[in-house]
This record gives sequence, C-alpha cells and structure tokens, in this order.
Amino acid sequence: GDSVTQMEGPVTLSEEAFLTINCTYTATGYPSLFWYVQYPGEGLQLLLKATKADDKGSNKGFEATYRKETTSFHLEKGSVQVSDSAVYFCALFTGGGNKLTFGTGTQLKVEL
Amino acid sequence: ETGVTQTPRHLVMGMTNKKSLKCEQHLGHNAMYWYKQSAKKPLELMFVYSLEERVENNSVPSRFSPECPNSSHLFLHLHTLQPEDSALYLCASSQDRGGQPQHFGDGTRLSIL
Repeated sequence: GDSVTQMEGPVTLSEEAFLTINCTYTATGYPSLFWYVQYPGEGLQLLLKATKADDKGSNKGFEATYRKETTSFHLEKGSVQVSDSAVYFCALFTGGGNKLTFGTGTQLKVEL
Repeated sequence: ETGVTQTPRHLVMGMTNKKSLKCEQHLGHNAMYWYKQSAKKPLELMFVYSLEERVENNSVPSRFSPECPNSSHLFLHLHTLQPEDSALYLCASSQDRGGQPQHFGDGTRLSIL
C-alpha cells in the first residue's frame, strides 16, 4: 500500500537557519505530493504541492521538488523564522486509493 | 478563517457518556472527512462522505457513528469510548471526493477519562 516516511523530530533551529525536512514515499501509480503545516492549536493547512515528476511546489519561502527517481519530496526553506514553528506533514494522493496518505509529521521549533 | 468550523474545540468525557462532535463547512464542497490525529502516528482517515452519502469507513469501531444530514454539516457521535480514543479529531472538506486540496478545521481535542 501507499506510505510516506518523514524524518523524526523535533527539529530545532535558530532563526535564519536553513531548513530541510526529508520525505520519501512508496506508491503505486503516479501520486500527487503535498506538504501540509499545522500551527499550534490549529488544523492542517496546505503549504505546497506538486503533481508530477520534476515539478517544484513553493509557498511562503518554502519549496519542495518532486523527485521520481528517488521517490522523495523534501521540504526546504533558506531562512526560517520563529513564526515557522509548527508541525509539517508530507502527504501523497493517488487516484486509485482516492485518499490522502500522511506521514507522521515533523515538529519544527525555531528559536531566536 | 479556514471555512471549516469544528465544535467543541475541547471535550472531556467519561467512558459511559454520549457526546457529538460537529463540523460545518462554508466552502460549498461536496465531500467531507473525519480524521483521527494521535501523537507520533500518521493521520488516520476514519470516514468519507460524498454528497451526503458515506463512501468510506476505514474499519472504525462502532462506538464512532458519523452522520451527514447535508453537504455542509458532518457529525461524529461518540458512545462508550475507550481511553485510547483520546486524540485530536479533524474534519476536512474538498470540492469532490478525492479533490485536492482538502481544507481542515481546527479540530476537537477529545480526552476520555
């Protein structure tokens, strides 16, 4: 079945540091890939997405590239802020399963 | 404002109580979902409704009973829950079943005593 593997957190960074959160997936067919973010006390919000190989999704300074050859969709940001502190979820969607499959989430803490 | 509103935000109940979680979406979507979020586990899809018809039930125990009276409202009725049911319950909606992205509410934090 489909699955998503994320690096375990928490990830703690200083403000303005470079962020990478790894995500790899296993899926039948050609999935669409997503990053969702969950701020404290809130539900999940779509951060960015990519629907086919080599697509780059980007939003709010975050970006991720759909790498079919390595089945990866790593999240990156060049300079994090305290306000980026949240839990980040990688997810995939395939038409065959017709549902989102989520990773376990990675908590990011950004300190001054 | 996410467009998906869940009430209550927090709920504490005993194992013999009956309570209901409510979800309302103002986005004109046709599909609604219930998820369970537990610490250090992937989100678990519980139920999917499309045009008020239940189209998916992922082996959820019968102590959880969903209801979708119309395309804007979704309920999760709770009865005789267990301590392991303590979690954050998230509601989501999308334009159609399988449509992306899904829009999430802020969740109901449920604690079972």
